[in-house]
Amino acid sequence: QQQVKQSPQSLIVQKGGISIINCAYENTAFDYFPWYQQFPGKGPALLIAIRPDVSEKKEGRFTISFNKSAKQFSLHIMDSQPGDSATYFCAASMVTGNQFYFGTGTSLTVIP
Amino acid sequence: NAGVTQTPKFRILKIGQSMTLQCAQDMNHNYMYWYRQDPGMGLKLIYYSVGAGITDKGEVPNGYNVSRSTTEDFPLRLELAAPSQTSVYFCASSQTPVGTEAFFGQGTRLTVV
Repeated sequence: QQQVKQSPQSLIVQKGGISIINCAYENTAFDYFPWYQQFPGKGPALLIAIRPDVSEKKEGRFTISFNKSAKQFSLHIMDSQPGDSATYFCAASMVTGNQFYFGTGTSLTVIP
Repeated sequence: NAGVTQTPKFRILKIGQSMTLQCAQDMNHNYMYWYRQDPGMGLKLIYYSVGAGITDKGEVPNGYNVSRSTTEDFPLRLELAAPSQTSVYFCASSQTPVGTEAFFGQGTRLTVV
């Protein structure tokens, strides 16, 4: 059973456009929601993360929007650049747990 | 700091062979994880450890074994390699599962033929 559902599987965006990746979860015990970025041949690396006590977190061109009532969160990449082309994973974890639960990933391609 | 170091980077195994994927971290993290990554399937947790001497199964543990004799090392053992184990394997570590970053190694691409 996939604890965190992610969409779309792939995304193509023009340079300068907005990339949006969505994730949904069922377990209300989750209380930490990170996003990881993975370039080809590399391991995932933390991009940005949010706790459920805030509805939005912004770091540069990257923003997480969090909707606790809908149990959904999304990553917005503003002014997308070719260098943003990578696979993005959402994840969730909980204080009482011992692991991260990852989404299935979104392959983002930004066209120059 | 080296972070999380995995060896080897690439390996081809024949069906039925055994091997150990090595993972070491130098950040004194309590938690360590082994994931496999298959196209379109995301990261599936194989095993994890919350400290030296303590390991537990993840979502897809069949065909694998782990040990954690020290804080630094968390090797993954494949006893009888099968084609279904062809994948990219990632080791990761974190101080806790919540509120802290998980650091990943560079991965091991394993092909079983």
